[in-house]
Amino acid sequence: GQNIDQPTEMTATEGAIVQINCTYQTSGFNGLFWYQQHAGEAPTFLSYNVLDGLEEKGRFSSFLSRSKGYSYLLLKELQMKDSASYLCAVRDSYYNQGGKLIFGQGTELSVKP
Amino acid sequence: DVKVTQSSRYLVKRTGEKVFLECVQDMDHENMFWYRQDPGLGLRLIYFSYDVKMKEKGDIPEGYSVSREKKERFSLILESASTNQTSMYLCASSLSSGGTDTQYFGPGTRLTVL
Repeated sequence: GQNIDQPTEMTATEGAIVQINCTYQTSGFNGLFWYQQHAGEAPTFLSYNVLDGLEEKGRFSSFLSRSKGYSYLLLKELQMKDSASYLCAVRDSYYNQGGKLIFGQGTELSVKP
Repeated sequence: DVKVTQSSRYLVKRTGEKVFLECVQDMDHENMFWYRQDPGLGLRLIYFSYDVKMKEKGDIPEGYSVSREKKERFSLILESASTNQTSMYLCASSLSSGGTDTQYFGPGTRLTVL
């Protein structure tokens, strides 16, 4: 079956670094996305990985290991505004038409002063 | 900037009513999606469409139908609303089905069925 796992909640301190993990089991793979969703708002795109390795974008980085079915999102120099839910999503190539994504439940990150 | 709009932010309906949720995107995207989001369950795909008049069932299509008569508009229909359809409904669109093309989300409609 299709399954994406990520921790439900995490807490970190302002200025620190936090790593949010995501493991997936899907029938195919054609890319992994991370989204940020503030309470009451729509998810917004953060990063995309399709090849193994690290993608860096400012304070945010995302890593992918396809052989392990594993990704993480790394947030550096945490700010209070980073308090949000972080969603991991996989595009399963089996359902290529339409580019359907499978979402994890999301990780609620709380940044404390 | 891509803009995805939804007809209502908040909606309250009664059990048995027919409910229409509208979604419009302004970037000529091929694909459009309807999700519902519930605490502890994450985003679940209801229906999606990869072309005008084309529709595909997602993971939880029961109790819902969709319509895509024009490329920019994707409607979600609850034929007879029930209390278990109380949820946040999110529409999304994407340019194509591969590469870095991400999904862009609308602001959501919080539907309450009494």
